[in-house]
Amino acid sequence: GQQLNQSPQSMFIQEGEDVSMNCTSSSIFNTWLWYKQDPGEGPVLLIALYKAGELTSNGRLTAQFGITRKDSFLNISASIPSDVGIYFCAGHPFSDKLIFGTGTRLQVFP
Amino acid sequence: DGGITQSPKYLFRKEGQNVTLSCEQNLNHDAMYWYRQDPGQGLRLIYYSQIVNDFQKGDIAEGYSVSREKKESFPLTVTSAQKNPTAFYLCASTMGFTEAFFGQGTRLTVV
Repeated sequence: GQQLNQSPQSMFIQEGEDVSMNCTSSSIFNTWLWYKQDPGEGPVLLIALYKAGELTSNGRLTAQFGITRKDSFLNISASIPSDVGIYFCAGHPFSDKLIFGTGTRLQVFP
Repeated sequence: DGGITQSPKYLFRKEGQNVTLSCEQNLNHDAMYWYRQDPGQGLRLIYYSQIVNDFQKGDIAEGYSVSREKKESFPLTVTSAQKNPTAFYLCASTMGFTEAFFGQGTRLTVV
């Protein structure tokens, strides 16, 4: 089935560092979503993007909807230990079901 | 409060048994989804429904069945034909092509 290409697959960083991850698709999307999942829990929505070129922030998180509509990135600034988890991108290709990325596993060391 | 509720949180199944996982939402969302997640892995789509009384197979539908008789409810049955059902199951709902909201998940273990 179709999946988004999400990278990197995992990241090990020190507290205070900035983080960047991205998703790419071969099809055009009309929605890009970013989620965080803690162990044993359901994913929680971080940021939703609906327009090409849109740049949206949520605290230390910033995400952008790519101009080509085929990509999106998520940045986390000044990482803290509670940022640990799995980050998923997701989106709706036009008039189609929701599709998820493969996930980026983030580990933050003090 | 609006939300999406999965139950039970933990479920144990004997070999050869069918079990049904519940997913209920009061968000008035049209579309609902079931995903399977194995340890350290991503989300794999089992089934989805974009409207009442209609549903489509996802990438790993074999050994699973669903129904969508009400807008609010999308139960998933894990049948005995599913040979490796131990996993974390997640239900989600969305209105049109907007953000999806997830339940807290059901962890199914075969004993």
